[in-house]
Amino acid sequence: QKEVEQNSGPLSVPEGAIASLNCTYSDRGSQSFFWYRQYSGKSPELIMFIYSNGDKEDGRFTAQLNKASQYVSLLIRDSQPSDSATYLCAVPSSNTGKLIFGQGTTLQVKP
Amino acid sequence: NAGVTQTPKFRILKIGQSMTLQCAQDMNHNYMYWYRQDPGMGLKLIYYSVGAGITDKGEVPNGYNVSRSTTEDFPLRLELAAPSQTSVYFCASSFSGEGAHGYTFGSGTRLTVV
Repeated sequence: QKEVEQNSGPLSVPEGAIASLNCTYSDRGSQSFFWYRQYSGKSPELIMFIYSNGDKEDGRFTAQLNKASQYVSLLIRDSQPSDSATYLCAVPSSNTGKLIFGQGTTLQVKP
Repeated sequence: NAGVTQTPKFRILKIGQSMTLQCAQDMNHNYMYWYRQDPGMGLKLIYYSVGAGITDKGEVPNGYNVSRSTTEDFPLRLELAAPSQTSVYFCASSFSGEGAHGYTFGSGTRLTVV
């Protein structure tokens, strides 16, 4: 089992809808979780991180953690075409402590 | 602030050639990383460094070498390039090792080995 897994998509939603992206992780002891956004041909940028003690909301973005099922979600409300990108989930490695990335989910927001 | 600067942006290598990918940051971050990203895949950690003079292997270190003589610079060396090393290479740095403040990525180097 990969340490961090994501459905590669693409996930297609209409403009204004809620986009829901999921990420599963294998290390039950993971304490922090990160979401990066990567536009085509660009480098990743951090948009959200949460600790295991709770969910987090930042503007239109909400990160939620389900520890029992070992997955973390990113919800994007009122999706905009500018949200079209690949979203990478990352979790610190149990071996090195450095970020392990999932393969990313491509989101397409259609006007 | 320049952030993390990578050079070159593009490079084509022939099989067996060698090259060095340059990475420099001006944020005084102690932690620096090299990742590679293959099409449709996530980022794989090649090497990382927790400070000048200290480096360690990541998930996919074979075929690469690094050095960290200063806080600012973290070059990645490819010896005897192989087609399997065709990828986009990202350098990153962070204030803390846990990444809680986020990794700052460079713009990437797109390498093709033919």
